[in-house]
Amino acid sequence: AQSVTQLDSQVPVFEEAPVELRCNYSSSVSVYLFWYVQYPNQGLQLLLKYLSGSTLVKGINGFEAEFNKSQTSFHLRKPSVHISDTAEYFCAVTSPSGGSYIPTFGRGTSLIVHP
Amino acid sequence: GAGVSQSPSNKVTEKGKDVELRCDPISGHTALYWYRQSLGQGLEFLIYFQGNSAPDKSGLPSDRFSAERTGGSVSTLTIQRTQQEDSAVYLCASSEYRGSYNEQFFGPGTRLTVL
Repeated sequence: AQSVTQLDSQVPVFEEAPVELRCNYSSSVSVYLFWYVQYPNQGLQLLLKYLSGSTLVKGINGFEAEFNKSQTSFHLRKPSVHISDTAEYFCAVTSPSGGSYIPTFGRGTSLIVHP
Repeated sequence: GAGVSQSPSNKVTEKGKDVELRCDPISGHTALYWYRQSLGQGLEFLIYFQGNSAPDKSGLPSDRFSAERTGGSVSTLTIQRTQQEDSAVYLCASSEYRGSYNEQFFGPGTRLTVL
């Protein structure tokens, strides 16, 4: 079975500061990893995904994430946040083989950007 | 084209009544997923469709929950004899085809409140 742990339920940060949202996964097989963002009263939309290749993945809106197999982590980072980045962020994992293709989602991290 | 749409956006019902939630996926997407999102609980997988068949119903919480998909397009999630614990946001997502690497496109959700 696969699982995802988002270590912080809420992350407050000031505008223009850097931010890191943490995600750790557990899986006995190889994985694909995703970060989704959910703005208020909207569905989730894909920020970025790791399938293979370079472990540093760049996504939309200036976000990036790094896949670390030894630490089973896929932390999301942004060097300078904006008020508009205030949203709920979800990490998700699937498996290309031997596991589930249905994504397992973390509980989400609420990013709150203060002016 | 248009994104995933869901209706109604909000539904308030009395305990014991039946409700139907509708999802219109992106045209051409063969895979369709239903999730339940409760406050602070992340996304809970309910059921997955490939075309009109549901190879994975493992997430349905009880036999009060059922879903169907017709014409490889619209899907309806039905909850019979609603209970207060059914209150949540129900999200629908679609993807081009089944595959663990595929991005899911989410609708805005239906917020169900059972009084």
